Amino acid sequence: SQQGEEDPQALSIQEGENATMNCSYKTSINNLQWYRQNSGRGLVHLILIRSNEREKHSGRLRVTLDTSKKSSSLLITASRAADTASYFCATVPLSEGQNFVFGPGTRLSVLP
Amino acid sequence: KAGVTQTPRYLIKTRGQQVTLSCSPISGHRSVSWYQQTPGQGLQFLFEYFSETQRNKGNFPGRFSGRQFSNSRSEMNVSTLELGDSALYLCASSFQTLSEQFFGPGTRLTVL
Repeated sequence: SQQGEEDPQALSIQEGENATMNCSYKTSINNLQWYRQNSGRGLVHLILIRSNEREKHSGRLRVTLDTSKKSSSLLITASRAADTASYFCATVPLSEGQNFVFGPGTRLSVLP
Repeated sequence: KAGVTQTPRYLIKTRGQQVTLSCSPISGHRSVSWYQQTPGQGLQFLFEYFSETQRNKGNFPGRFSGRQFSNSRSEMNVSTLELGDSALYLCASSFQTLSEQFFGPGTRLTVL
């Protein structure tokens, strides 16, 4: 699998439910970031979690990071129709001179 | 602060032509990265510039080039366009290389 690979590829839930997306990666990282993209537009940064952090919260978002398993999860609680978008994880390398690597993304559909 | 701007937003070219895309980063940001996004390949890193120097380059042919000016504005150029170059080209700026990236709305390039 490629660096920063999310699963599932697509997720469909009802408004009010929670949505969980996972990201796996291969190499050591400085930090891991999650982004959201509405159809055909630019990405919006959601949250950054450093390699020495295990959990982080921002509003209805909760991100966990397990460096031993090289995996992260993004939980969106009490989802809304406006959360419908694609979600990407990006692994950030240990040092400058190496690039961010984005996964293929999870397409989330929140049905009203 | 104004966000990242990209011009033009939409572009239609024919095979063999060349194209130049422009990106103005957020004021104070010195790092600018470019990505190509297609349905089949996802988000792929093109290159990163920091203080007018190309710091990193992705796995793209030499037809893809870029530069950064002293005011941090960046341009990317694609010569001898191919049908497969049709994509959304995203520019992102950041204050530091490993920190969160702020994306522009993208330039949608269609090659006929």
